[in-house]
Amino acid sequence: AQSVTQPDIHITVSEGASLELRCNYSYGATPYLFWYVQSPGQGLQLLLKYFSGDTLVQGIKGFEAEFKRSQSSFNLRKPSVHWSDAAEYFCAVGEAFGNEKLTFGTGTRLTIIP
Amino acid sequence: DSGVTQTPKHLITATGQRVTLRCSPRSGDLSVYWYQQSLDQGLQFLIQYYNGEERAKGNILERFSAQQFPDLHSELNLSSLELGDSALYFCASSVGLLNTEAFFGQGTRLTVV
Repeated sequence: AQSVTQPDIHITVSEGASLELRCNYSYGATPYLFWYVQSPGQGLQLLLKYFSGDTLVQGIKGFEAEFKRSQSSFNLRKPSVHWSDAAEYFCAVGEAFGNEKLTFGTGTRLTIIP
Repeated sequence: DSGVTQTPKHLITATGQRVTLRCSPRSGDLSVYWYQQSLDQGLQFLIQYYNGEERAKGNILERFSAQQFPDLHSELNLSSLELGDSALYFCASSVGLLNTEAFFGQGTRLTVV
């Protein structure tokens, strides 16, 4: 069965600093990988996704993620965070070729300090 | 605004009761997904409908059921409610069968007292 691990429950970074959120997945075949962001009181918004091809994926709001098959990782990065990036971030994995569901990680809460 | 509308936004009910959560997908989307987000279980997939038919089931309890109507809106019915059913219930929709880019609603927060 597919699974996702986000080892960091809570991360605090200073505004303007770089960010990396970790995600490790377990899946037997080629996965579909996603990062979602959830702001307080809001639904989930898709930041970026990886299906195939270039392993470095660009998303919205200046985020990028790199797929590393050898490490079963799909870490999310941003070179300079803004106070508005404070939110909960979820990594998710879906099955390739006809996925009907996503399996989510437990999320990483990001706090931004001035 | 994702285009997915969920009603009501908040719901408080007593144990043993039954509630119905409603979801209107984005215009043109045929698939609807239901997810439950709770503190102890995280985000879990419940069920998917595609063009009116059940497509996939996840960790959905027998006390829960869903359907998708001809106008493509969907309802999630939760019965014999227990305290542990308190959670945020999300609906998401996508154009086709592949969940390549699901758009999520803002959720319905259910509190069972």
